[in-house]
Amino acid sequence: GENVEQHPSTLSVQEGDSAVIKCTYSDSASNYFPWYKQELGKRPQLIIDIRSNVGEKKDQRIAVTLNKTAKHFSLHITETQPEDSAVYFCAASMGSGGSNYKLTFGKGTLLTVNP
Amino acid sequence: DAGITQSPRHKVTETGTPVTLRCHQTENHRYMYWYRQDPGHGLRLIHYSYGVKDTDKGEVSDGYSVSRSKTEDFLLTLESATSSQTSVYFCATGQGGGQPQHFGDGTRLSIL
Repeated sequence: GENVEQHPSTLSVQEGDSAVIKCTYSDSASNYFPWYKQELGKRPQLIIDIRSNVGEKKDQRIAVTLNKTAKHFSLHITETQPEDSAVYFCAASMGSGGSNYKLTFGKGTLLTVNP
Repeated sequence: DAGITQSPRHKVTETGTPVTLRCHQTENHRYMYWYRQDPGHGLRLIHYSYGVKDTDKGEVSDGYSVSRSKTEDFLLTLESATSSQTSVYFCATGQGGGQPQHFGDGTRLSIL
């Protein structure tokens, strides 16, 4: 089955700096890659996603890049703010539906933005 | 998300007792999932459903069973709870086909 590795497990940055979180996946058939943000005691919430026919996607201060050849994708947060502090999860899935449609998650990155 | 309700939100019970967690959705999503979240392990899939009465195992299914008798509801049952099943349980739903999953607010389960 799919395996997703996420690095680093913890990341501390100063407010205003950029943060980058990287994930690798094992199955070249994977074609959908969402990123979730989870604040302490809350549910994971989708912040951005990318599909395999796209190399990069941006939404304000957040961007995701995908390198299918190397089987890795990254989350970039620019101009970080204290409210960006949370655990971030990457995930990967394959297929368009059917009986086997599921996400495999990385173990998460705890991002701390210091004021 | 407003369309996914988990119950109960908190539960404390004793080893050996049966426990059922409920996930109710109003989104009419085909897929429903149960995850557990533990420190250092991220989100691990327990079971999922791809339609009414259609379910399959995830990576940590031992000791758990599920049922889905209608689109809106997905039940997770611990037949005989053990302390290792103390965790936070999240339900998620999705439409499949490269669409995101959306999570409920979670159930914090403590087994003493």
